Amino acid sequence: DTEVTQTPKHLVMGMTNKKSLKCEQHMGHRAMYWYKQKAKKPPELMFVYSYEKLSINESVPSRFSPECPNSSLLNLHLHALQPEDSALYLCASSQGPGREHEKLFFGSGTQLSVL
Amino acid sequence: DAKTTQPPSMDCAEGRAANLPCNHSTISGNEYVYWYRQIHSQGPQYIIHGLKNNETNEMASLIITEDRKSSTLILPHATLRDTAVYYCIVKKVTSGSRLTFGEGTQLTVNP
Repeated sequence: DTEVTQTPKHLVMGMTNKKSLKCEQHMGHRAMYWYKQKAKKPPELMFVYSYEKLSINESVPSRFSPECPNSSLLNLHLHALQPEDSALYLCASSQGPGREHEKLFFGSGTQLSVL
Repeated sequence: DAKTTQPPSMDCAEGRAANLPCNHSTISGNEYVYWYRQIHSQGPQYIIHGLKNNETNEMASLIITEDRKSSTLILPHATLRDTAVYYCIVKKVTSGSRLTFGEGTQLTVNP
């Protein structure tokens, strides 16, 4: 199984809503990532978890709150988002730190629209 | 990590080789060249990586110039399914998990 599964595929939310994006992998990977991708732009790194601990936060606003409950799951909790946060949110995983040539495996993303 | 420059778009005829260039003139000795692609409505997909020798796998070949300042990704027999944005990324092994995407090249394979 070389899949990273993201749910939901599409999400529409209001600025006062609270929602969560979910990501799951069963490849035994110990690093998991959240990327944000605006239309016609490259993906931008948001967070990295390594062995279930947050290792990189690219100065992401606090209205985005990541969580890694176990080595297979990654969540992104959303609260009080702005319309400019509308984007494709991509989850990825890799074997983990210390692996010299880490390949990232990406999910298909959650297309988020904030109204 | 060194900056990369890629043409914004390229076209290729189906069945022909697609040669995608990447300039990375400021690359340093401990930086590798990685290629990913992103098909529309999907997440990026790893293709290949290399340091200084040419590399080949089931998806593509990577040719890195002797001075390592540029590289070319070759899809030997492009199909319509190869239409995607191709990203060339230079990364130090010691950068750990941080993979930074540039603007990439939109490759369109035409029938």
